[in-house]
Amino acid sequence: QQQVRQSPQSLTVWEGETAILNCSYEDSTFDYFPWYWQFPRESPALLIAIRPVSNKKEDGRFTIFFNKREKKLSLHITDSQPGDSATYFCAASEDTGGLSGKLTFGEGTQVTVIS
Amino acid sequence: GPKVLQIPSHQIIDMGQMVTLNCDPVSNHLYFYWYKQILGQQMEFLVNFYNGKVMEKSKLFKDQFSVERPDGSYFTLKIQPTALEDSAVYFCASSLRTTNTEVFFGKGTRLTVV
Repeated sequence: QQQVRQSPQSLTVWEGETAILNCSYEDSTFDYFPWYWQFPRESPALLIAIRPVSNKKEDGRFTIFFNKREKKLSLHITDSQPGDSATYFCAASEDTGGLSGKLTFGEGTQVTVIS
Repeated sequence: GPKVLQIPSHQIIDMGQMVTLNCDPVSNHLYFYWYKQILGQQMEFLVNFYNGKVMEKSKLFKDQFSVERPDGSYFTLKIQPTALEDSAVYFCASSLRTTNTEVFFGKGTRLTVV
């Protein structure tokens, strides 16, 4: 059972455009949603995260929009730069009351920014 | 920033042999994890380890798998015996807590079982 889904699988945008990455989940007990990004031959690293008490989280050019009712979230990358080219993973966990810290990942979206 | 180191980066092993994947977690972290990623698929949780014990394991954590961190050294994942379907990238991760905390990942070990 795939509990976290991402779309599109890959995305190409021009430098300066906004890239929109989508994520949806099934488990209502998820209450923490981090996005990780991974550059080739590097570790996945935390980019930005949100909890359902908020419907928006912004950090520089990266913004998460969260819709709890529809169990959907999206990551917007504004003014995309070539250095943003990476694979982006949406993840989810039961942060409050979770004992194991287990993250459930989506399949990832490969973003390519063309200059 | 904090780093999780994984050794080796790539290992090729004959089916049926034993393999040990090594991980050097962030020094003050208390929780350790292994994730498995088959090519083209998402990373999937295998196991969480804390205070010398497995806290939670998934159905992917078969009986042939074991984890340990003897004397605070490397956190290891051992597979004995290996099977063809064990071919994947294995990511080690660590965190200070299980909630309200960042999980740090290594670069992964690509295991190829032939």
